[in-house]
Amino acid sequence: QLQLQESGPGLVKPSETLSLTCTVSGGSMISTSYYWGWIRQTPGRGLEWIGSIDYAGNTFYNPSYRRQVTISIDTSKNEFSLRLTSMTATDTGIYYCARRGILSGFDPWGQGTLVTVSS
Amino acid sequence: DIQMTQSPSTLSASVGDRVTITCRASRSMNNWLAWYQQKPGKAPKLLIYKASSLASGVPSRFSGSASGTEFTLTISSLQPDDFATYYCQQYDRYSWTFGQGTKVEIK
Repeated sequence: QLQLQESGPGLVKPSETLSLTCTVSGGSMISTSYYWGWIRQTPGRGLEWIGSIDYAGNTFYNPSYRRQVTISIDTSKNEFSLRLTSMTATDTGIYYCARRGILSGFDPWGQGTLVTVSS
Repeated sequence: DIQMTQSPSTLSASVGDRVTITCRASRSMNNWLAWYQQKPGKAPKLLIYKASSLASGVPSRFSGSASGTEFTLTISSLQPDDFATYYCQQYDRYSWTFGQGTKVEIK
């Protein structure tokens, strides 16, 4: 079945940029029926959708992160990526990647990766 | 943006109890609402989508309903595996918002 796996650094310094990659296995990313998204869970703000991308590279961002975030996709590698600039301590949390059906919720999810922002 | 207010924040219940969790939207929306279950150290798991459609593999004791701006998740008979935190999530055009969560604890 479809599986997603996040990868990237667990520690980022304040003001630096976070880069995470989500690798998709067990299926193709090329479909008009799905979006690929990033969600994070922080102690201060709970679960937050950061943004999504479709297989053609069309992006949709949470307005709260529009200035910070870039999401890209490489269907030849079956992966999509998150880039979040100007990280602060409040960005510390668990970052998840997930697939979303056009008419349904996020399913499945990756296991999540803990990102700590600290000097 | 549509804001979701979820209640209660904590719920104490016993095995076999009928449990109801509510999410209220800040304004009228279509029925694009999902419910998730999250256990400690794990990613959320999709239970319900489009307000009342059961996700694949989810037990039938879980159900969802909608009435205006109020959405409800019901567990008909709480099982030991159901003690977890539950989140609603609305999707409106290209924006998705989660509720604050409801922790279901053992009474």
